[in-house]
Amino acid sequence: QVTLRESGPALVKPTQTLTLTCTFSGFSLSTSGMCVSWIRQPPGKALEWLALIDWDDDKYYSTSLKTRLTISKDTSKNQVVLTMTNMDPVDTATYYCARMGYDYIWGSYRYDAFDIWGQGTMVTVSS
Amino acid sequence: EIVLTQSPDFQSVTPKEKVTITCRASQSIGSSLHWYQQKPDQSPKLLIKYASQSISGVPSRFSGSGSGTDFTLTINSLEAEDAAAYYCHQSSSLPWTFGQGTKVEIK
Repeated sequence: QVTLRESGPALVKPTQTLTLTCTFSGFSLSTSGMCVSWIRQPPGKALEWLALIDWDDDKYYSTSLKTRLTISKDTSKNQVVLTMTNMDPVDTATYYCARMGYDYIWGSYRYDAFDIWGQGTMVTVSS
Repeated sequence: EIVLTQSPDFQSVTPKEKVTITCRASQSIGSSLHWYQQKPDQSPKLLIKYASQSISGVPSRFSGSGSGTDFTLTINSLEAEDAAAYYCHQSSSLPWTFGQGTKVEIK
């Protein structure tokens, strides 16, 4: 059974750095084709993709947030860590991690859907 | 960046009615379009992948169609438990993007 669980502070102050950890089980990020992403959702608003890391340690970021984000993995611990610098109240959101595959489909390699999501962790940015 | 626009934003529907939600991409994404359901206070759940591929465990009343720039999620014979927000998502090109969501309310 594949599960993911996010953890981190519930409250951070403006300008601080947020560090979130995604701990997963049921798959390995050293397996070819495995990826983990971070996605966030402000209260009452839509989903926003933030970052992805794959089995080969390739990393991709949201265009608008890439200067503030760093994603990393610890394969031995089955963890993916996201840091976001210079937090602002507009960053208040539920932060999710989710698994994604990279598969050979219809004659080419493609990124799959987010098939399993964590339960999310709510982060409030306030002084 | 590919923009996904869903319509409608909100729909109030009677049980057993058919629901149709559309998602339009700002450029062609082939079939790399996926649909999620998010119930209140829950994380999103994958409903349909690659525009029309069914997901194990998802009721058969959920179906998807489309390719290129225009996609549709259909819920046949809506049930009370289908009250949720529905999101489309493209994995054709980075950065991944989501639609703004469609909220389905049960009358």
